[in-house]
Amino acid sequence: GAVVSQHPSRVICKSGTSVKIECRSLDFQATTMFWYRQFPKKSLMLMATSNEGSKATYEQGVEKDKFLINHASLTLSTLTVTSAHPEDSSFYICSARYLAGRMGTDTQYFGPGTRLTVL
Amino acid sequence: DAKTTQPTSMDCAEGRAANLPCNHSTISGNEYVYWYRQIHSQGPQYIIHGLKNNETNEMASLIITEDRKSSTLILPHATLRDTAVYYCIVRVPDSWGKLQFGAGTQVVVTP
Repeated sequence: GAVVSQHPSRVICKSGTSVKIECRSLDFQATTMFWYRQFPKKSLMLMATSNEGSKATYEQGVEKDKFLINHASLTLSTLTVTSAHPEDSSFYICSARYLAGRMGTDTQYFGPGTRLTVL
Repeated sequence: DAKTTQPTSMDCAEGRAANLPCNHSTISGNEYVYWYRQIHSQGPQYIIHGLKNNETNEMASLIITEDRKSSTLILPHATLRDTAVYYCIVRVPDSWGKLQFGAGTQVVVTP
């Protein structure tokens, strides 16, 4: 159990276009999902926290108008990179928070990632 | 969240136990220790987490010292597929559940 999918796995686009990435929790409901970005040979950087039915919370330095996040259901969050430029090329990874039990097993499960290349 | 310190890299022989250390000397009483790993070009994989008791699951064991200032992740019988970057993360079980990743330990399992 606890599977998270992302689509697409890889996307190449032209500079100035927008790209949408979907993140789905397949076998559990997630009120909270997270978006990360990872550059080559670097660690994951948290971009934003996405809560179902409310506005996302962005980490310092992340442009909310450039990285639009929508969490319309308990199993789906989307990240749209608007007016993408070559410097936005990166590995984007989502995760979904899994809470279970009265004492609250609290674990994040990650998607496989989306490789974005902006030409 | 408490800062963690891990070795940059470790080598391990296939079939042997891999012991991955993590220092978190500023950990608070309600902060959990989480371990994830990331195989190249994939999303991180959850391994195990604990608060103060030692924990074991089908993947690994987590040993937390009594003062909670350090912990060790043990992979009992390393295989080549265990080659990955291993991240030790300390976080408060707050309403957000955010994880902040450090640099991690690059573990290479050799035949």
